[in-house]
Amino acid sequence: GIQVEQSPPDLILQEGANSTLRCNFSDSVNNLQWFHQNPWGQLINLFYIPSGTKQNGRLSATTVATERYSLLYISSSQTTDSGVYFCAVEETSGSRLTFGEGTQLTVNP
Amino acid sequence: DAGITQSPRHKVTETGTPVTLRCHQTENHRYMYWYRQDPGHGLRLIHYSYGVKDTDKGEVSDGYSVSRSKTEDFLLTLESATSSQTSVYFCAITRGLNTEAFFGQGTRLTVV
Repeated sequence: GIQVEQSPPDLILQEGANSTLRCNFSDSVNNLQWFHQNPWGQLINLFYIPSGTKQNGRLSATTVATERYSLLYISSSQTTDSGVYFCAVEETSGSRLTFGEGTQLTVNP
Repeated sequence: DAGITQSPRHKVTETGTPVTLRCHQTENHRYMYWYRQDPGHGLRLIHYSYGVKDTDKGEVSDGYSVSRSKTEDFLLTLESATSSQTSVYFCAITRGLNTEAFFGQGTRLTVV
């Protein structure tokens, strides 16, 4: 099956800093999503982005499907950005999302 | 927010007992999924359904069964719970293939 690798596994920032999270995948995909799991365990949809670039406030994402990677940018980080960020992909031959192991982000005040 | 309700939200059960978790959706989405989340593994697919009475296995299906008798409900059953099934279980829904997935709030299951 498809492999999904996220980096870095852990990231600690001071409030106000910017960061880039990366997701590499091993095969062609028709679907890619970024999720934020907050400290209460909720999975929150950030982006549905199989290709191209999207922005939502301080967050933006870019997927380069031909090169099999996606990037999530967080600017001017806030303590409420803390949690785990997951990338999940659906390969072209599949019918389900495969998750990476996530990036644990801690934003300190 | 997508209309997905998981029940119960928390459960403690003894080894060897049967357990059923319920996922209820109000979105009329065709696809429903059960995932488990464990430290170091992210989320892994247990079973999914692509319509009423149509289900298929995921990557970690051993020890689990599912049923979908109505569009809105997807049940996950542990016939005889084991300690290795202690986990957080998430239900997800999608309208179709290659569409955005939405997740329920999760069920924390502890098998003692």
